[in-house]
Amino acid sequence: KAGVTQTPRYLIKTRGQQVTLSCSPISGHRSVSWYQQTPGQGLQFLFEYFSETQRNKGNFPGRFSGRQFSNSRSEMNVSTLELGDSALYLCASSLAPTEYSNQPQHFGDGTRLSIL
Amino acid sequence: QQPVQSPQAVILREGEDAVINCSSSKALYSVHWYRQKHGEAPVFLMILLKGGEQKGHEKISASFNEKKQQSSLYLTASQLSYSGTYFCGTEIKYSGAGSYQLTFGKGTKLSVIP
Repeated sequence: KAGVTQTPRYLIKTRGQQVTLSCSPISGHRSVSWYQQTPGQGLQFLFEYFSETQRNKGNFPGRFSGRQFSNSRSEMNVSTLELGDSALYLCASSLAPTEYSNQPQHFGDGTRLSIL
Repeated sequence: QQPVQSPQAVILREGEDAVINCSSSKALYSVHWYRQKHGEAPVFLMILLKGGEQKGHEKISASFNEKKQQSSLYLTASQLSYSGTYFCGTEIKYSGAGSYQLTFGKGTKLSVIP
């Protein structure tokens, strides 16, 4: 069974640009969550999608947005990039939101975004 | 409402035991534990639910004290493969949003040496 696939693996952008990251969940998984990981801060929750609806959003500015498609694939967009957005962005999928299923999240390898 | 993990880092020799703690200031619905090796994705270890049910790993155990809003991960007879950063994720209910959110701690870096 294929795991969570994130593309691209690496990305270099400059300040002010925008970027779109993609996540394909494990087949059959309908819940997708996004996290930002930086040294010393751990995993910071960005948002969670289920059945094409955003269920939860973390404490990030409106420049960070996302969406989920009918096939459960998800995209995350960051506009007007800032130096502080440099991080590893992780996507995780699960069968359903934890409150419904108590199922673990399965993480992809992430997209490493570097802002110059 | 990020959970607090302790210790931040620990070095063990093979065969030694370790305990990693995770505490929250909010009432918890569940606690998740993950391990991340350098350059790799976090990997699921265990879920602890209110009421005491556990789901997860064979060789690693954990406890969940609902009253104290704490969880501890127990690594016994550590092996070199246990090295990595351990994250606890706490699930709490946000009354405003009406839904649950999984929030991770900053991690505990565990190094097992021969």
